[in-house]
Amino acid sequence: EPEVTQTPSHQVTQMGQEVILRCVPISNHLYFYWYRQILGQKVEFLVSFYNNEISEKSEIFDDQFSVERPDGSNFTLKIRSTKLEDSAMYFCASNRGVGELFFGEGSRLTVL
Amino acid sequence: AQSVTQPDIHITVSEGASLELRCNYSYGATPYLFWYVQSPGQGLQLLLKYFSGDTLVQGIKGFEAEFKRSQSSFNLRKPSVHWSDAAEYFCAVVRSNSGGSNYKLTFGKGTLLTVNP
Repeated sequence: EPEVTQTPSHQVTQMGQEVILRCVPISNHLYFYWYRQILGQKVEFLVSFYNNEISEKSEIFDDQFSVERPDGSNFTLKIRSTKLEDSAMYFCASNRGVGELFFGEGSRLTVL
Repeated sequence: AQSVTQPDIHITVSEGASLELRCNYSYGATPYLFWYVQSPGQGLQLLLKYFSGDTLVQGIKGFEAEFKRSQSSFNLRKPSVHWSDAAEYFCAVVRSNSGGSNYKLTFGKGTLLTVNP
């Protein structure tokens, strides 16, 4: 069964460093998403992406964040200068526009 | 704005006992409704979903959920819990008239399920 894959599973970084989280969505999906879950809190929407551009973003998704689909398979989330409060589990998801979202297993980011 | 409430932060049940996890939503029209499960260190796995039709939906792992429009609820149930069901459970909603680029799930805060032997 096709699945969304994410790398790395866990990344530890120093505050102020750049981080890139990578995702490979399901191949025939057209819509891609990033969600975030701070420890002990709810899963929150960050951004949706379609046709090589951001469709919608939340207030969390400020100028420190960017997304990109650099090739036909990868979908990346970049945090330019990490802050302590960026420590969270980041989930990538994809779908065909309706129906359920298919989530990856997440990338845990720890900012020291 | 739509919102999802899971009133129980933590529930403990004995193995073999029945389970009901509560979910209430706030939205003007019928949303699409989902239950996801997150095992420790794992991602979000879809248990079941409701879009339309029969209000009692069956999911994987023996779970079911019932949509009650009058109560704005979508409670998750299982008649006999197994130790492997210990996990965190999230209810989520999305506007039924959304799609494509504005298809955005709103999650509840989750219910942590502990299963005692």
